[in-house]
Amino acid sequence: DAGVIQSPRHEVTEMGQEVTLRCKPISGHDYLFWYRQTMMRGLELLIYFNNNVPIDDSGMPEDRFSAKMPNASFSTLKIQPSEPRDSAVYFCASSLQGPETQYFGPGTRLLVL
Amino acid sequence: AQKITQTQPGMFVQEKEAVTLDCTYDTSDQSYGLFWYKQPSSGEMIFLIYQGSYDEQNATEGRYSLNFQKARKSANLVISASQLGDSAMYFCAMRETYNTDKLIFGTGTRLQVFP
Repeated sequence: DAGVIQSPRHEVTEMGQEVTLRCKPISGHDYLFWYRQTMMRGLELLIYFNNNVPIDDSGMPEDRFSAKMPNASFSTLKIQPSEPRDSAVYFCASSLQGPETQYFGPGTRLLVL
Repeated sequence: AQKITQTQPGMFVQEKEAVTLDCTYDTSDQSYGLFWYKQPSSGEMIFLIYQGSYDEQNATEGRYSLNFQKARKSANLVISASQLGDSAMYFCAMRETYNTDKLIFGTGTRLQVFP
């Protein structure tokens, strides 16, 4: 299995631009998690899905952030408009049953100038 | 609310020695689980070990073991026979509440293994 795939691996954009991060979970996994990691706030969960349905989005910072999972093999995290404080590493993770054995993707390193 | 505390920002250990990374937690739930993850310099998060609050035995996975002391609310990670490849950030985590799949993470401990 290829593991969790994230794209792009690196993204540099200017403030105000729309950013779309993509994730392909491991085939057969029912859960998908989006995390953000920064020096200031550490690693925090933004949102997670179970069977393509968003279950908890309480970690989404504000309305500029949105996440979708149109099918079992694809999810996006969108930031519109982006701001410099959104600069972080964004991880996607998937698992069969909850967070016990979630597998993380390599992350997308986002820099907003 | 649940809280995870890792008080050691950095640790050093010599190759082949054992090292303990501290993690304390605060919860009012009776049922909960504790996780440890490793983050090497390459950035990916790697699941290491899990301990359920009702597990009678301490969890072990190869060279990793979890020293679970429920009364003290501590879940320390023990790495035996350290290797240079163990140099990484280590995060302790637990569910935000017993009935959610949302994890909260500690601030991490940076482990450096030297020859």
